[in-house]
Amino acid sequence: GAGVSQSPSNKVTEKGKDVELRCDPISGHTALYWYRQSLGQGLEFLIYFQGNSAPDKSGLPSDRFSAERTGGSVSTLTIQRTQQEDSAVYLCASSSGQPGSGNTIYFGEGSWLTVV
Amino acid sequence: AQSVTQLGSHVSVSEGALVLLRCNYSSSVPPYLFWYVQYPNQGLQLLLKYTSAATLVKGINGFEAEFKKSETSFHLTKPSAHMSDAAEYFCAVSERSPGKLIFGQGTELSVKP
Repeated sequence: GAGVSQSPSNKVTEKGKDVELRCDPISGHTALYWYRQSLGQGLEFLIYFQGNSAPDKSGLPSDRFSAERTGGSVSTLTIQRTQQEDSAVYLCASSSGQPGSGNTIYFGEGSWLTVV
Repeated sequence: AQSVTQLGSHVSVSEGALVLLRCNYSSSVPPYLFWYVQYPNQGLQLLLKYTSAATLVKGINGFEAEFKKSETSFHLTKPSAHMSDAAEYFCAVSERSPGKLIFGQGTELSVKP
């Protein structure tokens, strides 16, 4: 597609259930990012994939969070045993290279997760 | 580690007035800097970016920002606010390696008629 695509756009889940959020980056983009935006908060970095390199997982808040990227394209963010504090908008982004090369990062419209 | 501070979580201006959104960064090396805008219920859109070329960067919708190394600042300005500029604005800095983007807390801009 023309932009970064995320699904589902909205998800309501019960506390303790697992959820999967999907991201389809822009075709050909080697870098993929996940961010979390909580109500009234800024954007919190979660994880970063660059090509075939080991991902930068330094932003994952707990071991309940994990992400994978299959075939260098689609990525799935998984949250296990969801808690109410996990409620947020999860934003995916991609770029054709590292931002340090001047490449622009393009964002999807996000997946709004509500844990009840 | 690099960081970004946006002064003022909320800024209100009148239509036609100057818009000034402040951003300061901390970095031991010259960074790459970005401003993004988020309209209600939408994703983030790039306004402009500084990548070590010209220090005055022009972006979309009449916005511009000036990189001032001596002040470690990258303030966003627009000479005349329009109602459609009402949105949340995020300043961000990228580490040159490995390349993740670090965002400020955001500034919500309101434009009064």
